[in-house]
Amino acid sequence: GNSVTQMEGPVTLSEEAFLTINCTYTATGYPSLFWYVQYPGEGLQLLLKATKADDKGSNKGFEATYRKETTSFHLEKGSVQVSDSAVYFCALRGRDTGNQFYFGTGTSLTVIP
Amino acid sequence: DTAVSQTPKYLVTQMGNDKSIKCEQNLGHDTMYWYKQDSKKFLKIMFSYNNKELIINETVPNRFSPKSPDKAHLNLHINSLELGDSAVYFCASSQLAGDEQYFGPGTRLTVT
Repeated sequence: GNSVTQMEGPVTLSEEAFLTINCTYTATGYPSLFWYVQYPGEGLQLLLKATKADDKGSNKGFEATYRKETTSFHLEKGSVQVSDSAVYFCALRGRDTGNQFYFGTGTSLTVIP
Repeated sequence: DTAVSQTPKYLVTQMGNDKSIKCEQNLGHDTMYWYKQDSKKFLKIMFSYNNKELIINETVPNRFSPKSPDKAHLNLHINSLELGDSAVYFCASSQLAGDEQYFGPGTRLTVT
């Protein structure tokens, strides 16, 4: 079946620190992979995506590379800001399951000045 | 203009009541969804609708019923509310099933 596993939070970092949030997946077929971000009190927003192996998604300084060999899609940012404090969700879209989305459990990030 | 809107933003009600949450999208999308997010931020899909047809119906209690009067609206009706229904409910839409989803701001439901 399809599933997504994210590193558990919460994660607390100082401003300008390097961020990595791990995400691994299990899927039949070749899924598309996504990172969504949820700022406090708001709905989820798409942060970046990758649709095939070795693709790199990037947005707002965040990056993630679709690694088929390790079934991973880790989120990285070189220098976090206080405004990056949010909950981050890794997700996959299963091509063989009616394009259904599967979300991870979310990782809460707090960036302190 | 807000792309995906939900009303109300907050809903506090007592056990046993019936309530509805409304969702509207002005993106012209064909597919709409309802998600439930629990206190631990776990997000679970409940329903999706494509051109007024239910295409995903996860194992949610039949007290929950989605109603779509037209392509731009997918309302969630809940009968006989229970304490365990307390959560944040998100509406979302996408152009086609499987495309990038756009989420509403959420409705925080509290059942007392």
